[in-house]
Amino acid sequence: DAKTTQPPSMDCAEGRAANLPCNHSTISGNEYVYWYRQIHSQGPQYIIHGLKNNETNEMASLIITEDRKSSTLILPHATLRDTAVYYCIVRVVGYQKVTFGIGTKLQVIP
Amino acid sequence: GAVVSQHPSRVICKSGTSVKIECRSLDFQATTMFWYRQFPKKSLMLMATSNEGSKATYEQGVEKDKFLINHASLTLSTLTVTSAHPEDSSFYICSASTGTSGNNQETQYFGPGTRLLVL
Repeated sequence: DAKTTQPPSMDCAEGRAANLPCNHSTISGNEYVYWYRQIHSQGPQYIIHGLKNNETNEMASLIITEDRKSSTLILPHATLRDTAVYYCIVRVVGYQKVTFGIGTKLQVIP
Repeated sequence: GAVVSQHPSRVICKSGTSVKIECRSLDFQATTMFWYRQFPKKSLMLMATSNEGSKATYEQGVEKDKFLINHASLTLSTLTVTSAHPEDSSFYICSASTGTSGNNQETQYFGPGTRLLVL
């Protein structure tokens, strides 16, 4: 699996958009970008994933650059409950293990 | 999204005893499940891959006789920590793979975790 680089921590004001960046410059053509988050003392929660097109669901939007070397997870209106560690992972789909990095600790501030 | 449950959510046991943790996919079948452990303020570390009907594949450094994994059905995998010691105290998390179906890509969903404390 390609390695990803994320900032270790970020702050975001409640109600504002949270933009979490991820670099994955060594991503290969058949690798997808997945985002998970882990709220304190809970299991990781799936957020969204994509290959090359931008994706949106009820939780977030995923913007992938045209060269696919980086992506941004957007939480459009951050709430206090969005405070968590966010993990960006690139992997080939299938029955493949997920390798977690250190992620970005997002703190939503009132 | 799909739901994965774990039981128990928290367990305290004496040193030398064995502890079994169950992982269930509630609304989908999972031929592959994964077991992770997480120490405080650290990221998740993959321990093993559990395949239904076959032996588990363990990551380097994980003792297979210490951490017994059984994946007897498409919705249940169990992790047994044998002869537990205080250093086995950790947060154990499982995940289950949905597999590919038509145009849907495979996604892994995680359980809520089991906190083990060995005294």
